[in-house]
Amino acid sequence: AQKVTQAQTEISVVEKEDVTLDCVYETRDTTYYLFWYKQPPSGELVFLIRRNSFDEQNEISGRYSWNFQKSTSSFNFTITASQVVDSAVYFCALSEGGTSGSRLTFGEGTQLTVNP
Amino acid sequence: DAGVIQSPRHEVTEMGQEVTLRCKPISGHNSLFWYRQTMMRGLELLIYFNNNVPIDDSGMPEDRFSAKMPNASFSTLKIQPSEPRDSAVYFCASSLGAGVGYNEQFFGPGTRLTVL
Repeated sequence: AQKVTQAQTEISVVEKEDVTLDCVYETRDTTYYLFWYKQPPSGELVFLIRRNSFDEQNEISGRYSWNFQKSTSSFNFTITASQVVDSAVYFCALSEGGTSGSRLTFGEGTQLTVNP
Repeated sequence: DAGVIQSPRHEVTEMGQEVTLRCKPISGHNSLFWYRQTMMRGLELLIYFNNNVPIDDSGMPEDRFSAKMPNASFSTLKIQPSEPRDSAVYFCASSLGAGVGYNEQFFGPGTRLTVL
């Protein structure tokens, strides 16, 4: 069975600090997909990034970067120079490949608070 | 383009009443998902449809819950009779692709259900 663990329940930083959100996953499949979603205080879930299990290249998008390491089953998310608008709950999620692969399993989420 | 549309946004009802939540997926998307979010259990997949056919309903908590997708542009989640423990935010999401895990899911704004 697939499982996603986000050990950090809450993180609080001061604006302009860098912050890394951890995500560890478990799956028996060799083909799988990892996602990060953001849930701001308004409540909607916003897609941030998708990674497939065959692509271990790190990705950078503006102040956001993601580090995918299959050896440690981790898919960590770093926000550089955090801003107050980054305050939200961030979810890591896993989807396995194959015909039943549409099921997304979410981690528990990490509440990030960026203080001015 | 319009995103996933859910109605109502808020629902307050009394225990024992029937509740119907509605969802309109993004046009052209052929997978639709219903999730429930609570503090205790986080984000859980209740059921998902591919091409209007229910594929996996293993997350539906009990027989009081039922979901239908009569056509590609409409789905309902019904709770009858409702109980206080059903209080949660219910999200609908849609994605492209049938039975594949790599397509990101786009979430609606959610319906906040309170059962008194």
